Amino acid sequence: ETGVTQSPTHLIKTRGQQVTLRCSSQSGHNTVSWYQQALGQGPQFIFQYYREEENGRGNFPPRFSGLQFPNYSSELNVNALELDDSALYLCASSFQITSGRAYNEQFFGPGTRLTVL
Amino acid sequence: TQLLEQSPQFLSIQEGENLTVYCNSSSVFSSLQWYRQEPGEGPVLLVTVVTGGEVKKLKRLTFQFGDARKDSSLHITAAQPGDTGLYLCAGALGSQGNLIFGKGTKLSVKP
Repeated sequence: ETGVTQSPTHLIKTRGQQVTLRCSSQSGHNTVSWYQQALGQGPQFIFQYYREEENGRGNFPPRFSGLQFPNYSSELNVNALELDDSALYLCASSFQITSGRAYNEQFFGPGTRLTVL
Repeated sequence: TQLLEQSPQFLSIQEGENLTVYCNSSSVFSSLQWYRQEPGEGPVLLVTVVTGGEVKKLKRLTFQFGDARKDSSLHITAAQPGDTGLYLCAGALGSQGNLIFGKGTKLSVKP
């Protein structure tokens, strides 16, 4: 069984740039959730994708966007980067039967450390 | 306002001691999960509790879900240096797809 993988591991960008982070879900999972974890904080929910559609969103601006592909892998895109976007970005995969029902045993990848200068 | 409050925030103990970490909320969760996270890595799922009053054991770790499904505790018996890490609790609200995380408890176990 292949676990959740994320790329790249580390990334350094400057303010105003755009970034794309990638996630491959665990085998057998159909749902991907993205979280932002600032230093010393717990992860904060960004959004979730189920069957290639956004299935819930946290309190993040529209410049945070995402995609899910037919193989259930996912991308997180952030436009117009700000200094406060510096964080560990975590992807979690899970299996859901329907879009509205979430047992939600989520398994996390190792994360992408984004630094915005 | 933090929906899930974890305490203590930091804990430094000697090998062999016992400890309890608490996770409290005014909200009712459909399920609650405990994770352990090493620096620079993703959280690793330890346990999921679903039923009010449920108790689960994982070797020296005991997890309890409150009767009202608003709080949870993690008890570690005879802590070892390998238990060092950040312990996070995370709750699922109703049918929502996301997890609400606490800020975590940073545990250091000294040999």
